Amino acid sequence: GDSVTQMEGPVTLSEEAFLTINCTYTATGYPSLFWYVQYPGEGLQLLLKATKADDKGSNKGFEATYRKETTSFHLEKGSVQVSDSAVYFCALSEGDKLIFGTGTRLQVFP
Amino acid sequence: DTAVSQTPKYLVTQMGNDKSIKCEQNLGHDTMYWYKQDSKKFLKIMFSYNNKELIINETVPNRFSPKSPDKAHLNLHINSLELGDSAVYFCASSLGRATEAFFGQGTRLTVV
Repeated sequence: GDSVTQMEGPVTLSEEAFLTINCTYTATGYPSLFWYVQYPGEGLQLLLKATKADDKGSNKGFEATYRKETTSFHLEKGSVQVSDSAVYFCALSEGDKLIFGTGTRLQVFP
Repeated sequence: DTAVSQTPKYLVTQMGNDKSIKCEQNLGHDTMYWYKQDSKKFLKIMFSYNNKELIINETVPNRFSPKSPDKAHLNLHINSLELGDSAVYFCASSLGRATEAFFGQGTRLTVV
């Protein structure tokens, strides 16, 4: 079946540093791709999405581009803030469900 | 207004008990889900309903029984709780296939 692989965390950064969280996927079809964020004690919130190859999703300074040739959907942000500390999940759509990666914890220090 | 709401937020219970978690969405979505998040944050789908019809049942023990009285509600009943059932259970909904899901705040179930 389809699957999602994310880089292991935690990722530890200083405020204003550049962020990249890697995500690659395997899929038999052409899934939509998503990034979700989970703040401590909360549910998952959709951060951004892309529905076809070469689409770029963006929100709150975060970006990710759907790369079919490398089967990747890496999350980037130019300058992180302490408030970005959370767990980030890459996901793809397979039929009627979402398949999630294992999550990457981001810790940003002032 | 909360889009996807689940109750209770915390649930502590003894092994062998039966418990239920309720979920309601006010987004007008046709599809609802239950996901389980384990202690390592791994998320796995358990069930999916579309317009009150079960469409996904991912090899979940039959002690877990979802019920959808209408398309805005999806409840989860768990019989004979075991220690390994301790996890965070998330309800979610979506407009349809391959679209983003909106998640509730989660129910942290602790079985002692």
